[in-house]
Amino acid sequence: DTQMTQSPSSLSASVGDRVTITCRASQTISGFLNWFQQKPGKPPKLLIYATSNLESGVPSRFSGSGSGTDFTLTISSLQPEDFATYYCQQSYSTPFTFGPGTKVDIK
Amino acid sequence: EVQLVESGGGLVKPGRSLRLSCTASGFTFSDFAMSWLRQAPGKGLEWVGFIRGKRYGGTTEYAASVKGRFTISRDDSKSIAYLQMNSLRTEDTAVYYCTRAQARHDFWGQGTLVTVSS
Repeated sequence: DTQMTQSPSSLSASVGDRVTITCRASQTISGFLNWFQQKPGKPPKLLIYATSNLESGVPSRFSGSGSGTDFTLTISSLQPEDFATYYCQQSYSTPFTFGPGTKVDIK
Repeated sequence: EVQLVESGGGLVKPGRSLRLSCTASGFTFSDFAMSWLRQAPGKGLEWVGFIRGKRYGGTTEYAASVKGRFTISRDDSKSIAYLQMNSLRTEDTAVYYCTRAQARHDFWGQGTLVTVSS
């Protein structure tokens, strides 16, 4: 199975900050990497698929990059509605494993 | 508008069975794979499995933690995906979500809570 790790596990930031979350796979996943945002009591929401493709309706301040085993989610200017938990997931090979999540809260 | 609505959750004793349903609307159901994922209380997301669309044989894949106990099926005439859960364990307690597609998970239901407890 492909293990996914994320760093940091949590971070505190202010509105307007640039935020970067890293996701690492235990083996190459050929760009099959998705990012989800989850707010308390709600289902996750797809933000980025296949490393860098912005899902329809997602603000352009979100972007994804990476290759091989190392991937990044960047929020260029954090907005109040962005405080949430973020998960990466590999969809290269089953089981489609998730990272443990990164909680972004208000500084 | 794409909608996914899960139902069938509840409180069940260890060793018993439960069947969840995911009723879909707003898209051509038969064209898409359907997935099930879960989230234990206060924990992260776990992929449970998926069923491919008819075009790809309707075959299934499962996580090791549920393989042999859980079965995913679909009724394209009703636009419903099912998750049959047998031999339930306390560690299966979670909110269960259905999602559209095999890997992209672009649409999610609101989830249904399954609690396994004596």
